[in-house]
Amino acid sequence: GENVEQHPSTLSVQEGDSAVIKCTYSDSASNYFPWYKQELGKRPQLIIDIRSNVGEKKDQRIAVTLNKTAKHFSLHITETQPEDSAVYFCAASRGRSNYQLIWGAGTKLIIKP
Amino acid sequence: NAGVTQTPKFQVLKTGQSMTLQCAQDMNHEYMSWYRQDPGMGLRLIHYSVGAGITDQGEVPNGYNVSRSTTEDFPLRLLSAAPSQTSVYFCASSSDTEAFFGQGTRLTVV
Repeated sequence: GENVEQHPSTLSVQEGDSAVIKCTYSDSASNYFPWYKQELGKRPQLIIDIRSNVGEKKDQRIAVTLNKTAKHFSLHITETQPEDSAVYFCAASRGRSNYQLIWGAGTKLIIKP
Repeated sequence: NAGVTQTPKFQVLKTGQSMTLQCAQDMNHEYMSWYRQDPGMGLRLIHYSVGAGITDQGEVPNGYNVSRSTTEDFPLRLLSAAPSQTSVYFCASSSDTEAFFGQGTRLTVV
């Protein structure tokens, strides 16, 4: 069945450096790719998303890139801060439905002071 | 605006017991879903609903039942709890641009 692979599972970066998390998906019909952030003990929350008709999207220190040909997309966080420490999940739509999502296993991002 | 309200926050069950996790949303979303979250496995879909009276199975439906009698409510029922169902459960209510999650239920089955 369709799946989403997410790497790395844990990422440790120095405060102020950049972090990159990568995901690959298998469903060629997927057209919606959100990223969620889950702080310790909290619920996942949407931080940014991208649709298949766009190659890159930025929101302040966060950006997402999409390569539909290679079926992969990435989250980039620049100038990392302690509050960026969390688990990040990527997801891909199951086909063209924005509602049904296939989730990656998550990346634990650790920001070292 | 409460968003998604999920109860309880914590629960301990004995093997074989049954219980219902409650989920309610006030955003008038048609699509609601239940996930379980286990370490290193992300979010796995248990059941989902595309509107009142309509439910369907996700990836891991065994041992769970759902119903959707109203747009607002989407309870998840564990029929006979097993230790393998120890997990964190999240209810979500979705627009076409975002999934809004409840606070989560940490369930332990002993």
